[in-house]
Amino acid sequence: DAKTTQPPSMDCAEGRAANLPCNHSTISGNEYVYWYRQIHSQGPQYIIHGLKNNETNEMASLIITEDRKSSTLILPHATLRDTAVYYCIVRVLLGETSGSRLTFGEGTQLTVNP
Amino acid sequence: KAGVTQTPRYLIKTRGQQVTLSCSPISGHRSVSWYQQTPGQGLQFLFEYFSETQRNKGNFPGRFSGRQFSNSRSEMNVSTLELGDSALYLCASSPIPGGREQFFGPGTRLTVL
Repeated sequence: DAKTTQPPSMDCAEGRAANLPCNHSTISGNEYVYWYRQIHSQGPQYIIHGLKNNETNEMASLIITEDRKSSTLILPHATLRDTAVYYCIVRVLLGETSGSRLTFGEGTQLTVNP
Repeated sequence: KAGVTQTPRYLIKTRGQQVTLSCSPISGHRSVSWYQQTPGQGLQFLFEYFSETQRNKGNFPGRFSGRQFSNSRSEMNVSTLELGDSALYLCASSPIPGGREQFFGPGTRLTVL
């Protein structure tokens, strides 16, 4: 699985957009970008994933650069409850033959301030 | 639908003892994965079970083992506990191996004294 680089911490004001970057310069053509987050003392929570097109769901948007070497997770209107560690994970599409293994890095501690 | 449940939530053991942790996946989910989380090593994959068979294993010593039952519930066992085994042990389930979205439980906090 490709290695990812994320800033260790970021701050964001409540109600503003939180933009979390991730570098994955060695990503392969068949590898997807997954984002999970972990609120303190809870299990990680899936947010979104994508291959090369931008993706949006009810939680967030994922913007992947054209060369796929970096991506940005966007929380459009951050709330205090979005304070968490955000993990960017790059791997082949999770599937029955590839299995469920996720390799977590150190992630970004996002702190949303009132 | 109930989420992933893990028991016990907290556990204190002493070195040399063994421990068994339990995970009940979301109803209908047949794949269960286990992770260890420590401040120094972060979140690390232990193993994955599907249809009562271990499908994938992380880089942990043989003291760490697991199994899955016919109802998809899973247990992991750590024998001859060491201080370094103190960690949050997380279980995740998905309908099939590699399900796009892994659903994590709240974890079991194990302290080894």
